Amino acid sequence: QVHLVQSGAEVKKPGASVKVSCKALANTGWFFHWVRQAPGQGLEWMGWIDPNTGASGYAQKFQGRVTMTRDPSISTAYMEVNRLTSDDTAVYYCARDPGLGDYWGQGTLVTVSS
Amino acid sequence: DVQMAQSPSSLSASVGERVTITCRASQGISDYLAWYQQKPGKVPRLLIYRISTLHSGVPSRFSGSGSGTDFTLTISSLQPEDVATYYCQKYDRVPLTFGGGTKVEIK
Repeated sequence: QVHLVQSGAEVKKPGASVKVSCKALANTGWFFHWVRQAPGQGLEWMGWIDPNTGASGYAQKFQGRVTMTRDPSISTAYMEVNRLTSDDTAVYYCARDPGLGDYWGQGTLVTVSS
Repeated sequence: DVQMAQSPSSLSASVGERVTITCRASQGISDYLAWYQQKPGKVPRLLIYRISTLHSGVPSRFSGSGSGTDFTLTISSLQPEDVATYYCQKYDRVPLTFGGGTKVEIK
């Protein structure tokens, strides 16, 4: 069974950057998707990355401020958010296409506070 | 981009009652529509994919239907453990937009 394991919680100051990792315990080559959920809010899709080629795409809202990368040698994807504001306080998830199954990381809480 | 409008945003129903949640896409999305259940503080759980295919281990009281732009999640007999927020998601092409969510409570 494929599992996704994310890095731990982060506390950042406004204007800083944060980089969250997501390790796949099995190297399937499937795309990684990133989803975030602000406190008390719904799920918000952020973008995707192909671990094979490094190709990525972002929701319009995040273009220019979010960068997704990967290290195929360790089956890990990364999602970096720059110029953090309090509105970026959220749980960030990595996940797979739902057509492949129910594969979600455990979530990473990012808190932005001065 | 295709938008996903989910309704209602919340509902309250009695145990054993039939519950229906609707998701409407602003354009056709073929059959690439999934439903998730999320309990407070938990990771979303996949219930249904390809509009109506039940994910492994999901109780049969959950069902999905629809086509084109209009989709429905039905809980045939609401149980206390079904208290949660439910989300639809399109996954035909990026962006993989979610609906706004429906919070289901017991009356």
